[in-house]
Amino acid sequence: LAKTTQPISMDSYEGQEVNITCSHNNIATNDYITWYQQFPSQGPRFIIQGYKTKVTNEVASLFIPADRKSSTLSLPRVSLSDTAVYYCLVGDHPSGGYNKLIFGAGTRLAVHP
Amino acid sequence: EAEVAQSPRYKITEKSQAVAFWCDPISGHATLYWYRQILGQGPELLVQFQDESVVDDSQLPKDRFSAERLKGVDSTLKIQPAELGDSAMYLCASSIGGEQFFGPGTRLTVL
Repeated sequence: LAKTTQPISMDSYEGQEVNITCSHNNIATNDYITWYQQFPSQGPRFIIQGYKTKVTNEVASLFIPADRKSSTLSLPRVSLSDTAVYYCLVGDHPSGGYNKLIFGAGTRLAVHP
Repeated sequence: EAEVAQSPRYKITEKSQAVAFWCDPISGHATLYWYRQILGQGPELLVQFQDESVVDDSQLPKDRFSAERLKGVDSTLKIQPAELGDSAMYLCASSIGGEQFFGPGTRLTVL
């Protein structure tokens, strides 16, 4: 399974756009890229998934370059409630349903007033 | 909105005691997962069920941990005996072949 690397922590302010980049140099042809969000004392929550180019939903956008060796989660106009840990995962099944999800330490995003 | 239920939410026990956690997945979800999350780290998969069968328990410390899903619905994770290093959040998740939905977790403290 491809290993991912992402920043340990990030700080932002309310109303700003936040971009969290994840490196996955050994991504395989069949791998999808999935992002989860985790608030303190809660389980992780699926945010977005993509295979290539750009994916957008009501919460975030995911940008994946042509070589797929990295991806960027973009959170538009963050609020204090976006303070959480964000995990980037790579696996060879959509949404990691049948595959083992390998979580790294994630990126701790702190949004300030 | 359907959710994964877990109980208890918090458990404090002494080392060498036995503890058990319960998980009720979202109705109809055939796949159930147990994860352990140590403070400051990401969740680590302990065991994965497909219906009542174990499909992956490679990271489950089988000398002290056991998991069952007898009727392919709810599941129990047991630790016996508990050790200090078992203090962590134990998360249950379920899926129907797609996105994994996580429960709120059980925070275990071993004294």
